[in-house]
Amino acid sequence: DSGVTQTPKHLITATGQRVTLRCSPRSGDLSVYWYQQSLDQGLQFLIQYYNGEERAKGNILERFSAQQFPDLHSELNLSSLELGDSALYFCASSGGGELFFGEGSRLTVL
Amino acid sequence: GENVEQHPSTLSVQEGDSAVIKCTYSDSASNYFPWYKQELGKRPQLIIDIRSNVGEKKDQRIAVTLNKTAKHFSLHITETQPEDSAVYFCAASIHNTDKLIFGTGTRLQVFP
Repeated sequence: DSGVTQTPKHLITATGQRVTLRCSPRSGDLSVYWYQQSLDQGLQFLIQYYNGEERAKGNILERFSAQQFPDLHSELNLSSLELGDSALYFCASSGGGELFFGEGSRLTVL
Repeated sequence: GENVEQHPSTLSVQEGDSAVIKCTYSDSASNYFPWYKQELGKRPQLIIDIRSNVGEKKDQRIAVTLNKTAKHFSLHITETQPEDSAVYFCAASIHNTDKLIFGTGTRLQVFP
């Protein structure tokens, strides 16, 4: 158990819909990262938050947004979903150095 | 832009043989290079990491080497076992930050 909690574990929805993925970081970690992993693909960096502020942005689509709340949990919002958004979305947290990954949220868009 | 290249994409070895996975990075300011192992359907987990002030690090059967001049680092697994079968990802920090860019992964299969 990494200490990073992601919900939901699985999500099936239709094209055009909007979903929210939630992440609770390890106790004490201020940094939260979101990564997208499509089938048999690598880990694509989406965005990083540090103590509530956006720290770095990767290849995140405009249809996607994220935020980190005062209690340090984070949410990734995916809207106007397309078939190609089907993927495993990982959240990771860090206190500086090693990233600890959650179990991921598997999104299927039909 | 920031980039990490990883080779090979797949690697098959016989149990007991060694496996080597190589990565190159583009950002000369990178100073942290972790390796993650991802078993099928599971989350990536750190197996070893190295910082730029060290050229080599070893932990039992796994070792990592870093060549800062060439911007190249490698993972070495000796005496491979079937349970080493997984996808391995290298990563490099960007601009001396804690943001990590991952390589595309290497699927390692160890045959008994």
